[in-house]
Amino acid sequence: DTEVTQTPKHLVMGMTNKKSLKCEQHMGHRAMYWYKQKAKKPPELMFVYSYEKLSINESVPSRFSPECPNSSLLNLHLHALQPEDSALYLCASSLGGYNEQFFGPGTRLTVL
Amino acid sequence: GQQVMQIPQYQHVQEGEDFTTYCNSSTTLSNIQWYKQRPGGHPVFLIQLVKSGEVKKQKRLTFQFGEAKKNSSLHITATQTTDVGTYFCAGGTSYGKLTFGQGTILTVHP
Repeated sequence: DTEVTQTPKHLVMGMTNKKSLKCEQHMGHRAMYWYKQKAKKPPELMFVYSYEKLSINESVPSRFSPECPNSSLLNLHLHALQPEDSALYLCASSLGGYNEQFFGPGTRLTVL
Repeated sequence: GQQVMQIPQYQHVQEGEDFTTYCNSSTTLSNIQWYKQRPGGHPVFLIQLVKSGEVKKQKRLTFQFGEAKKNSSLHITATQTTDVGTYFCAGGTSYGKLTFGQGTILTVHP
C-alpha cells in the first residue's frame, strides 16, 4: 500500500465550529507532515511529526492543533478558524530526513 | 530565512516544444526534490538530486543539480498534453524540512 488517505475530501465550517482532519498511511513511514496550500501557491509546511513526536511547528496559530495518535495516523484539529484559513490541507508521509514525501489527496477547507 | 526561487511562474508551449523551469536557493541545499501537481491534484514526487553537478533523466525529463548545490533545473523535451501541471522544486534544508519553490504552471496547447 503506497497511498496516503485523507478525510474528509471537502469541509465547510463556520468560525465557531470545531472539526478535525484525518490522515492515514500504511507504508511504515515514521515522518508525517501537514501542509497548507492556497490556490496557485506552493505547499507551506505547518507541522512535522517524527516517530509520533512533534518535531517542527512552523509558528502555526494555536487554532490549529495537530495530533499523532500512532505511527499510521495524523489528525489536525481545527477550532475558531478564520476565513483566510480556507485552503487545501495536505498530509504527507516519508521515511524521514530528506526522503521523498508521499502526499495525500488533501482536504479542501472552506471557512465561512 | 531559507528561500527557494523558481522561474518562470507560467509557461505556455505548443505540444512538441521544449520546456525548462529553474530553481535557485539563497543557501546551499542538502538535496533538491521535484514534484508535479496536476490541476485539482496533489504533489507527486518525481525525483531527488543529492550530489553536486548531478544529472538524472526520466524519459523526456532531465534534471540537473548545480555544482554549488544552490540551483537546479528541470527540462522536458517535446512536451505532451499529459505534461500539463505545476512543477515544484523543493530544497532540503533543515533536517526533515523541505522548502518549496513558487512553482511553474505549464500549459501545453495541442
